[in-house]
Amino acid sequence: EAQVTQNPRYLITVTGKKLTVTCSQNMNHEYMSWYRQDPGLGLRQIYYSMNVEVTDKGDVPEGYKVSRKEKRNFPLILESPSPNQTSLYFCASSFGSPGANVLTFGAGSRLTVL
Amino acid sequence: AQSVTQLDSHVSVSEGTPVLLRCNYSSSYSPSLFWYVQHPNKGLQLLLKYTSAATLVKGINGFEAEFKKSETSFHLTKPSAHMSDAAEYFCVVSDLQFYFGTGTSLTVIP
Repeated sequence: EAQVTQNPRYLITVTGKKLTVTCSQNMNHEYMSWYRQDPGLGLRQIYYSMNVEVTDKGDVPEGYKVSRKEKRNFPLILESPSPNQTSLYFCASSFGSPGANVLTFGAGSRLTVL
Repeated sequence: AQSVTQLDSHVSVSEGTPVLLRCNYSSSYSPSLFWYVQHPNKGLQLLLKYTSAATLVKGINGFEAEFKKSETSFHLTKPSAHMSDAAEYFCVVSDLQFYFGTGTSLTVIP
């Protein structure tokens, strides 16, 4: 089944404890992206990647890192999480760059930082 | 840069009555436009997309949307709401990036 898989789905952590949210897709998509969803703000892009070893900042990149060493994986790293990073996170992928391409989303990862 | 405005943050309808979720966009040229739906505790799922073919686009579950360039609108409609339509709906415009509206929460009253 074609899908985007995120892990963990739920995580409670404490301020400053490094964590990684993994994202993997099995559709050979070039484009991958991370979003955070907060009430009343919709989805805001954190980072995106057009292909392997090509990443760029989205609208809200502060406090996050990403890497794209393999085409299928695009992990999101929080080096020193803070409470304002408590949010619902989505990974998504599509063929090629945006435009007419459809985004396929993971199921989401709900992160709470105490 | 593109932008998307969803005109209603919450919409309530009775089961069996029509649904209208409004979306306006700004674009410097012909964009691609999408509607996604998010059911509680789920990821986003594509409802429909417009990519400069027919201006009336049909999607899944009886939804459709009409692209009106003169009004820069892409409103989502459904003739008869079902309880299972209760969800969050996002309008999205894309060029080199995807731009999301802030979402409309649809409540369906039995």
